[in-house]
Amino acid sequence: EPEVTQTPSHQVTQMGQEVILRCVPISNHLYFYWYRQILGQKVEFLVSFYNNEISEKSEIFDDRFSVERPDGSNFTLKIRSTKLEDSAMYFCASSLTTGKDEQYFGPGTRLTVT
Amino acid sequence: AQSVTQLGSHVSVSEGALVLLRCNYSSSVPPYLFWYVQYPNQGLQLLLKYTSAATLVKGINGFEAEFKKSETSFHLTKPSAHMSDAAEYFCAVRAGGTSYGKLTFGQGTILTVHP
Repeated sequence: EPEVTQTPSHQVTQMGQEVILRCVPISNHLYFYWYRQILGQKVEFLVSFYNNEISEKSEIFDDRFSVERPDGSNFTLKIRSTKLEDSAMYFCASSLTTGKDEQYFGPGTRLTVT
Repeated sequence: AQSVTQLGSHVSVSEGALVLLRCNYSSSVPPYLFWYVQYPNQGLQLLLKYTSAATLVKGINGFEAEFKKSETSFHLTKPSAHMSDAAEYFCAVRAGGTSYGKLTFGQGTILTVHP
């Protein structure tokens, strides 16, 4: 069964550094998402991406964050000038369409900012 | 705007007992509702979804949920718990008719199953 993959599984970085989290969505899916889950809190939406542009973003997704689909298969989340409060599990998801279709989630990348 | 409330951050049942995980939603438009399960060190896996067809929805692993508009609820049940059901369960809502499909999640409920 097709699945969403994410790399790395765990990323440790120092405050102020830049990180790139990588995702490979399911190949025929058209909509892509990033969510995050701070330890002990709910899963929160960050951004959705369709047709090579951001379609919706949350207030969490400030100008330090960016997303890209550089080569038609990968979907990346870049965080510049990382802060301690960026420490969280980051989930990538994809769906064929929106509305009724479910989103398929990857296993997550745990980001630790020290 | 949409929101989800899951009543009970931890639920503990005995093996073979009924599982009931509660979810109430708020949505300004007819919603689509989802239950996801997360096993340790894994991603979110879809259990079932409500998309305005049948109000009683059956999912994987013997789980089902009933959409009750009058109560704005979408509780998850399983008649007989199994040890392998121990995991964290998330209820999520998406506004019907939206273009881009953002999911809004509840806080999650950790299910513990005792032998």
